[in-house]
Amino acid sequence: SQTIHQWPATLVQPVGSPLSLECTVEGTSNPNLYWYRQAAGRGLQLLFYSVGIGQISSEVPQNLSASRPQDRQFILSSKKLLLSDSGFYLCAWEWEAGLYNEQFFGPGTRLTVL
Amino acid sequence: AQKITQTQPGMFVQEKEAVTLDCTYDTSDPSYGLFWYKQPSSGEMIFLIYQGSYDQQNATEGRYSLNFQKARKSANLVISASQLGDSAMYFCAMREASNAGGTSYGKLTFGQGTILTVHP
Repeated sequence: SQTIHQWPATLVQPVGSPLSLECTVEGTSNPNLYWYRQAAGRGLQLLFYSVGIGQISSEVPQNLSASRPQDRQFILSSKKLLLSDSGFYLCAWEWEAGLYNEQFFGPGTRLTVL
Repeated sequence: AQKITQTQPGMFVQEKEAVTLDCTYDTSDPSYGLFWYKQPSSGEMIFLIYQGSYDQQNATEGRYSLNFQKARKSANLVISASQLGDSAMYFCAMREASNAGGTSYGKLTFGQGTILTVHP
């Protein structure tokens, strides 16, 4: 069976500090991977997606970047965090692109920037 | 314009009763998929049910059913026999076809969510 992991689960960081959130998927190969951010009480905003190693597409301009160094590893980074980067970050995967394919989400990382 | 609209910020239902969560969508693409996710207080997004734009019948999955009215562009989630564990945030999402470097993929667009509270 497939599982998706995210860590850390929670993180409190000062403004201006760097960030690295990690997402790994087990039990599948060559998944499509996604990073979403959810502000408190709001819907999900797609940040980045990747269809393969080293292939990253950004949905919105921002202070964050993403990388996919291995097939089942997706990393979200920032060199200098802003207050507005606070939120709940969710990683998701899917088998392949398709209108009717659901995405499977990880447990999320709750980031607070002070 | 909002692609996915959930007009009910919060809903309350008595245990064992049925509840309908509203979702309307906006697209000019004839091919699309509609999804519902549940997000408990723990934060994890749990996939519940989906409906394809060409599906003739409404999707059902256990106690969940999707009332799909294509002409009205609505895809309401119906939860029958509500349980206390159904208390959560519910998101409607739509998937349209897109292209990423020549590979087709469907980007999920989420609504703002509805908080459902089930009373004993």
